[in-house]
Amino acid sequence: NAGVMQNPRHLVRRRGQEARLRCSPMKGHSHVYWYRQLPEEGLKFMVYLQKENIIDESGMPKERFSAEFPKEGPSILRIQQVVRGDSAAYFCASSPGEGEAFFGQGTRLTVV
Amino acid sequence: GENVEQHPSTLSVQEGDSAVIKCTYSDSASNYFPWYKQELGKRPQLIIDIRSNVGEKKDQRIAVTLNKTAKHFSLHITETQPEDSAVYFCAATGGGTSYGKLTFGQGTILTVHP
Repeated sequence: NAGVMQNPRHLVRRRGQEARLRCSPMKGHSHVYWYRQLPEEGLKFMVYLQKENIIDESGMPKERFSAEFPKEGPSILRIQQVVRGDSAAYFCASSPGEGEAFFGQGTRLTVV
Repeated sequence: GENVEQHPSTLSVQEGDSAVIKCTYSDSASNYFPWYKQELGKRPQLIIDIRSNVGEKKDQRIAVTLNKTAKHFSLHITETQPEDSAVYFCAATGGGTSYGKLTFGQGTILTVHP
């Protein structure tokens, strides 16, 4: 079991560009969660998805951010028109449902 | 929504001493409380968790206690070692199918001096 896989590990974008972050959950896990961690801060919940459904997006900024988990392929967190304040580590976690969540290695986004 | 407060923000101990980190939560419906260890530049790793139907759980040098009435839970690390140095996060959630929707504390930077 390869664990939760995220890519890329590091991503540099210029202000105004788009960032796409990918997450493949652990085998057998159908629940995916995205978190953001600002430097020297805790993790903040962003969105919870199951296949083809957004279950809870209460932590997502209202603009520029979107997430999906298609029937086939990884979950994607998309940030349009990035700004410097979007620079952070973005972690994906997966769970089988009623069970603990396991985190991926994260994607470190730097906006220059 | 849920709010989790964690103390202390930094903790420095000598190797072999015990370390205790405390958290309080606000939502009485929360029933699952995991603890994560995060080393610099790495992923949060689950080290122990507790569900609301028990008051204490132990795994070798690590133990967690839960007081549902007071809405607080604590992490205890005994016989600390330098490799225990990391940031520790407590979290809480309502459980059910949302075990992954966690509210995290602010983190505790634990430093264990040889």
